[in-house]
Amino acid sequence: DTAVSQTPKYLVTQMGNDKSIKCEQNLGHDTMYWYKQDSKKFLKIMFSYNNKELIINETVPNRFSPKSPDKAHLNLHINSLELGDSAVYFCASSRTGGNSPLHFGNGTRLTVT
Amino acid sequence: DAKTTQPPSMDCAEGRAANLPCNHSTISGNEYVYWYRQIHSQGPQYIIHGLKNNETNEMASLIITEDRKSSTLILPHATLRDTAVYYCIVRVGSSGSARQLTFGSGTQLTVLP
Repeated sequence: DTAVSQTPKYLVTQMGNDKSIKCEQNLGHDTMYWYKQDSKKFLKIMFSYNNKELIINETVPNRFSPKSPDKAHLNLHINSLELGDSAVYFCASSRTGGNSPLHFGNGTRLTVT
Repeated sequence: DAKTTQPPSMDCAEGRAANLPCNHSTISGNEYVYWYRQIHSQGPQYIIHGLKNNETNEMASLIITEDRKSSTLILPHATLRDTAVYYCIVRVGSSGSARQLTFGSGTQLTVLP
């Protein structure tokens, strides 16, 4: 199936650990994103990559580092996890420019204990 | 990107039309209106978008007022599976790099049997 897929779906870890979330899209899109949805359900953009280059970096702690090995992948690495990092993280992709809609993955629920 | 205002919640009887309003009084001439929805525990799903003309696709219709200060998303025959949070977003459609979408709090639509 054509889709944006994220792994893992659930991630439970302790404070101070380092973890990664992987995202892959097979839609042929050249722009990918990471969004964070907090407990109040607000969706906030974190990063955007276009053709493996960072184009949007909102005010996100530098413990969060996106890595794009190719156009189809955008992974999110988080160092020194904190309780406040607990949230659902969504990956998305789109074609560049114009009015291209975003296609989202089903999210990774991160719980930091 | 312009801000949007939506009612926090709405109910609709199954089989009836669901009309979801959105105010975007500060929208500028080059901003598009997008609608997404998020079904519980899933990623946001693109529904429809438009600039100034009314639009229709297999999921919904989008009615934009002549002054473009408000719009209505219409689900013509709501089903229980349409229960979700619906987000109205305005965004500049650019010919260059993709712009991020800024999600507000949305409208929780509950379709009642």
